[in-house]
Amino acid sequence: TQLLEQSPQFLSIQEGENLTVYCNSSSVFSSLQWYRQEPGEGPVLLVTVVTGGEVKKLKRLTFQFGDARKDSSLHITAAQTGDTGLYLCAGERYNTDKLIFGTGTRLQVFP
Amino acid sequence: NAGVMQNPRHLVRRRGQEARLRCSPMKGHSHVYWYRQLPEEGLKFMVYLQKENIIDESGMPKERFSAEFPKEGPSILRIQQVVRGDSAAYFCASSPMLGTGLSLSGNTIYFGEGSWLTVV
Repeated sequence: TQLLEQSPQFLSIQEGENLTVYCNSSSVFSSLQWYRQEPGEGPVLLVTVVTGGEVKKLKRLTFQFGDARKDSSLHITAAQTGDTGLYLCAGERYNTDKLIFGTGTRLQVFP
Repeated sequence: NAGVMQNPRHLVRRRGQEARLRCSPMKGHSHVYWYRQLPEEGLKFMVYLQKENIIDESGMPKERFSAEFPKEGPSILRIQQVVRGDSAAYFCASSPMLGTGLSLSGNTIYFGEGSWLTVV
């Protein structure tokens, strides 16, 4: 049973397009984090959202935590080739100090 | 990724051999996590340790896998009698955890660059 489902699993777009990645669960999380991972490397933290309904912006990336703290989205505006990578959401349940990772979304941005 | 050191970065083992993966947490971090990642998949939690204590090992396979984080030295993930299905990337992460939850304490976990195990 996968607690966090990400969609789409794969995404291939042209530079300049916009995209949204979704992270969904039936469980409530006390916090949710988004990571980006490049081949041969470890995940790098992009953002942490804690409050239901919270929206955080990081340059062209916009992250939203659902009101019920069960889901999140990552929106990228005007994608660039440097955005290519594996995007992972990860949630912490009930302040357990442990992150549960989503299934991942592999993004490929073509020039 | 800064500061969490894993070694070896790449390890090749024959079936039946033992694999030992080491992780030195960031300075000042007292808690270590181990995650496993199969190709094209997300990370799967394995175990969460603090010095000399296993806090949560709910993701560890019941046999052949063990982890420790001694008072001195790095954390070690040990896989005995490896099989082909053990081939994966193993990531270590650390945090300055206080036991109150990542979100409450405002902390996060920082990942190392991983150890890639190939079983031939």
